[in-house]
Amino acid sequence: ILNVEQSPQSLHVQEGDSTNFTCSFPSSNFYALHWYRWETAKSPEALFVMTLNGDEKKKGRISATLNTKEGYSYLYIKGSQPEDSATYLCAFYGGSQGNLIFGKGTKLSVKP
Amino acid sequence: EAQVTQNPRYLITVTGKKLTVTCSQNMNHEYMSWYRQDPGLGLRQIYYSMNVEVTDKGDVPEGYKVSRKEKRNFPLILESPSPNQTSLYFCASSYTRGRVNEQYFGPGTRLTVT
Repeated sequence: ILNVEQSPQSLHVQEGDSTNFTCSFPSSNFYALHWYRWETAKSPEALFVMTLNGDEKKKGRISATLNTKEGYSYLYIKGSQPEDSATYLCAFYGGSQGNLIFGKGTKLSVKP
Repeated sequence: EAQVTQNPRYLITVTGKKLTVTCSQNMNHEYMSWYRQDPGLGLRQIYYSMNVEVTDKGDVPEGYKVSRKEKRNFPLILESPSPNQTSLYFCASSYTRGRVNEQYFGPGTRLTVT
């Protein structure tokens, strides 16, 4: 069974802090790595889909990097705001199993 | 508005009483999928469908059925619900299987089986 690990499980930061968290995935048979943002009482929404080693994607204050050779991706949030409070999910798509495998998420809380 | 809809949003039922959760998307997506979310666990795939009349098991299919008679609809059927199926359920769709296409999620259905 393929495993996707996210760390830390939860994170509490102050407004204005920059933060980052990690997604680890199998480095073989890599096809794509997805990041989703999931606010409480809402449904997950896609942030990024990354496919190439060394890829970097950015959306506003949120960016992500990808290292497929070592099997990890980082998500960065610059100058966290209370509205960034959410659970951030990563999902690995590998050719051998053919479906997205989700991590358990990192729950971010930003205090004003 | 492009969206995935699910009904009902909340459901409390009793063991053994058959139920169906509907899912519909208006984006002409080929790929649709059902997930369940339980505390401490990631989203786990129940069933998926790559196109009309094509369905396959995900990681946790036991106790569930699905059908894909039309492209836009992908209902989840629990023939004889049990308490261990109490969970938060999400339907999702994407243009293709999910390699490079992001998934669009429905609002979720919170199911309680007593």
